[in-house]
Amino acid sequence: QVQLVQSGAEVKKPGASVKVSCKASGYTFTSYGVTWVRQAPGQGLEWMGWISAYNGNTNYAQKLQGRVTMTTDTSTSTAYMELGSLRSDDTAVYFCARGDGTTKELDYWGQGTLATVSS
Amino acid sequence: DIQMTQSPSSLSASVGDRVTFTCRASQSISNYLNWYQQKPGKAPKLLIYAASSLQSGVPLRFSGGGSGTDFTLTISSLQPEDFATYYCQQSYSTPWTFGQGTKVEIK
Repeated sequence: QVQLVQSGAEVKKPGASVKVSCKASGYTFTSYGVTWVRQAPGQGLEWMGWISAYNGNTNYAQKLQGRVTMTTDTSTSTAYMELGSLRSDDTAVYFCARGDGTTKELDYWGQGTLATVSS
Repeated sequence: DIQMTQSPSSLSASVGDRVTFTCRASQSISNYLNWYQQKPGKAPKLLIYAASSLQSGVPLRFSGGGSGTDFTLTISSLQPEDFATYYCQQSYSTPWTFGQGTKVEIK
């Protein structure tokens, strides 16, 4: 069965970076993209961008350009999302999900990773 | 960016009720509209894709409709496990955007 398993909770100081991993299993990793979505406490869902696991092409949200980097390691079927220059309003649960601009929907999701930014 | 507006923002309903909520896009998105269900502390779950296609494993009481700018999600007979927040999401163009959600509560 398809599973996406994310790394554990993180606490970071303002200005630092956080890197979240998302290990996929149960399907051919390079056949699907991985999208990242975040949810601030008590708020709605925000699309951050995606990466093609096939060729590494990325598409980032404009508001995060320059701060976000998405990568994949096809040898371990793992996707990564790194967000730098953290601010308090980056405190959120970060989700990875299978899908991108080719598939058009997010059919499997990771369990979420809480990243807290606090001094 | 395409704005997605859901209504109502919350509703109270009883088990067995038929409920419908709506999602409106700020411009035409053809049928590039997905619906997700989210329960507290959990990841969203895909219910409907391409406006009206039922995701595998999702109960038949869920149905979606619409195209262009106006879309609906209907639950034909509300079950206890359906109390959750529902989000629409457009995948017509980036940035993909979500509605603000409709929270379904027990009456």
